[in-house]
Amino acid sequence: AQSVTQLDSHVSVSEGTPVLLRCNYSSSYSPSLFWYVQHPNKGLQLLLKYTSAATLVKGINGFEAEFKKSETSFHLTKPSAHMSDAAEYFCVVSAGRDDKIIFGKGTRLHILP
Amino acid sequence: NAGVTQTPKFQVLKTGQSMTLQCAQDMNHEYMSWYRQDPGMGLRLIHYSVGAGITDQGEVPNGYNVSRSTTEDFPLRLLSAAPSQTSVYFCASSYSGRRGELFFGEGSRLTVL
Repeated sequence: AQSVTQLDSHVSVSEGTPVLLRCNYSSSYSPSLFWYVQHPNKGLQLLLKYTSAATLVKGINGFEAEFKKSETSFHLTKPSAHMSDAAEYFCVVSAGRDDKIIFGKGTRLHILP
Repeated sequence: NAGVTQTPKFQVLKTGQSMTLQCAQDMNHEYMSWYRQDPGMGLRLIHYSVGAGITDQGEVPNGYNVSRSTTEDFPLRLLSAAPSQTSVYFCASSYSGRRGELFFGEGSRLTVL
């Protein structure tokens, strides 16, 4: 069965500095990996996805993620944080013979002025 | 341009009562799923369906039933509500199963007293 671990429940960065949200996954099969964002009291929005094409994936709002099979990681990065990036971010994995799409527990990103 | 529609948005139940959360999508998506979101737990998969007449259990299926008689609808039933089922519930659909982007409803906030 697949699983996903987000290594930090909270991350705080200053506006204008880089963002790194860490995600490790476990899967016996080639995974599909996603990052979703949820702003306060809002629904979930897809940031980016990896489905076995290029390992460096670019998403919306300047975010990108790199699939590293050897490290079973799919970390989310952004060069310069903006106040509007404050939200909760979810790493998501789908793999295996079933069709389950599994969410991590989330990382809440705080942006300091 | 409705997308995924969930009803009701808010509901208060007493322990032991039953209810059905409705979910409908107008995008002709074969894949539909139900998640519950609790603080610090991320989104946990309750049940999912890869097409009409096909359903399967997710990570936390106990206490919930589903059916999929049409492509458009995927209701979630609580047969005997318990306080542990107090949560925010999200319905989601995807155009290409577990490798596609999930489109979410706005969520249903359920409180069980």
